[in-house]
Amino acid sequence: EIVLTQSPGTLSLSPGERATLSCRASQRISSNYLVWYQHKPGQAPRLLIYGTSSRATGIPDRFSGSGSGTDFTLTISRLEPEDFAVYYCQQYGDSPGWTFGQGTKVEIK
Amino acid sequence: EVQLLESGGGLVQPGGSLRLSCETSGFTFSSYAMSWVRQAPGKGLEWVSGISGSAGSTYYAGSVKGRFTISRDNSRNTLYLQMNSLRAEDTAVYYCAKDRLGPYLPSHFDRWGRGTLVTVSS
Repeated sequence: EIVLTQSPGTLSLSPGERATLSCRASQRISSNYLVWYQHKPGQAPRLLIYGTSSRATGIPDRFSGSGSGTDFTLTISRLEPEDFAVYYCQQYGDSPGWTFGQGTKVEIK
Repeated sequence: EVQLLESGGGLVQPGGSLRLSCETSGFTFSSYAMSWVRQAPGKGLEWVSGISGSAGSTYYAGSVKGRFTISRDNSRNTLYLQMNSLRAEDTAVYYCAKDRLGPYLPSHFDRWGRGTLVTVSS
């Protein structure tokens, strides 16, 4: 099973600042098979990025993804108030063992 | 508009059973694989089970294999999860999720429901 480790666990930032979230895999993943979600309490998770760097429908361009091999990054260029949430990476290259990272909480400083 | 609505959660004793349902609308249900993903209290997301669009293939996480059964009724646009031999560690919010790609192997999820809470406790 591929283990995804996200860091940091919590990111304390102010609106307008840049957020950089990391997702590291225990073994190499094809870039096609790494995605990112946003999750707010009491809401459905929301797909942000698929294929490492492609934005899902309706996702603003302040969200971007990058990386390859075992190291992947989600960047939010300028935090808006609605961006404070928990973010998860997920891989699906190791089927049927689809796995998520443990999450990074982006909180208001 | 795509909608997914889970139901069937509740309080159940250890060793008991529960059946979750996910009613969907707004897309061609049979054209997409579907999955269940759960979130235990204070924890992250965990993929539980997936099913192809035709229901011909099913997939399970090791933690639930042999206890949970996923199924779907394409005539009713509804996904199910039969959960047997429930344990305290199965306590979680269970989300229904639609695959982004198509009907074959579950992959990643572009639409989710809001979840239904399952509590396993005596």
